[in-house]
Amino acid sequence: SAVISQKPSRDICQRGTSLTIQCQVDSQVTMMFWYRQQPGQSLTLIATANQGSEATYESGFVIDKFPISRPNLTFSTLTVSNMSPEDSSIYLCSVEGTRSYEQYFGPGTRLTVT
Amino acid sequence: QKEVEQDPGPLSVPEGAIVSLNCTYSNSAFQYFMWYRQYSRKGPELLMYTYSSGNKEDGRFTAQVDKSSKYISLFIRDSQPSDSATYLCAMSADDYKLSFGAGTTVTVRA
Repeated sequence: SAVISQKPSRDICQRGTSLTIQCQVDSQVTMMFWYRQQPGQSLTLIATANQGSEATYESGFVIDKFPISRPNLTFSTLTVSNMSPEDSSIYLCSVEGTRSYEQYFGPGTRLTVT
Repeated sequence: QKEVEQDPGPLSVPEGAIVSLNCTYSNSAFQYFMWYRQYSRKGPELLMYTYSSGNKEDGRFTAQVDKSSKYISLFIRDSQPSDSATYLCAMSADDYKLSFGAGTTVTVRA
């Protein structure tokens, strides 16, 4: 299994600002995923990030709001831009496992926007 | 209508009780059915998976899938306080894209 770390673990931000979340994996992986987990709601996929290509965004998520970088096979960043209180959530990164239905998740970044 | 429906609970049971969790779904293309467990302030971790319909048992955990009814279940026997967590059902149509339920928070009282 992969070990995933995220930074920061939590943050409180002012509306209108941006926050970049980092995700580091202890092994090389092709596919990395970014999710949002809001209280009482399903874990929702924001985008899939493959190294060397543009991230693929899910319906309802756009690159201008959630730009993603994937500079190598062990690292990715998600930026939450021009934040509003509605962006308060837990953001998780995950990586593919050996089987298509398995993903390993990081501990999450708890974001509060005031 | 959400693609995957899961009662968020919360569910509180005494130690040793059987915990019963379930999800319903609408996408008939789903073939892989998973249960993830998420402890407080941690990321989800894969607990069990089932391919297509049927049952699967792993220790105290049993996963059931009924594709005809679009209904999946997870049973935890002899529940322990360490089983207290949020349980997320997840489904996939044979690609890396997972669709999750909202999660059910379970507390096992000692």
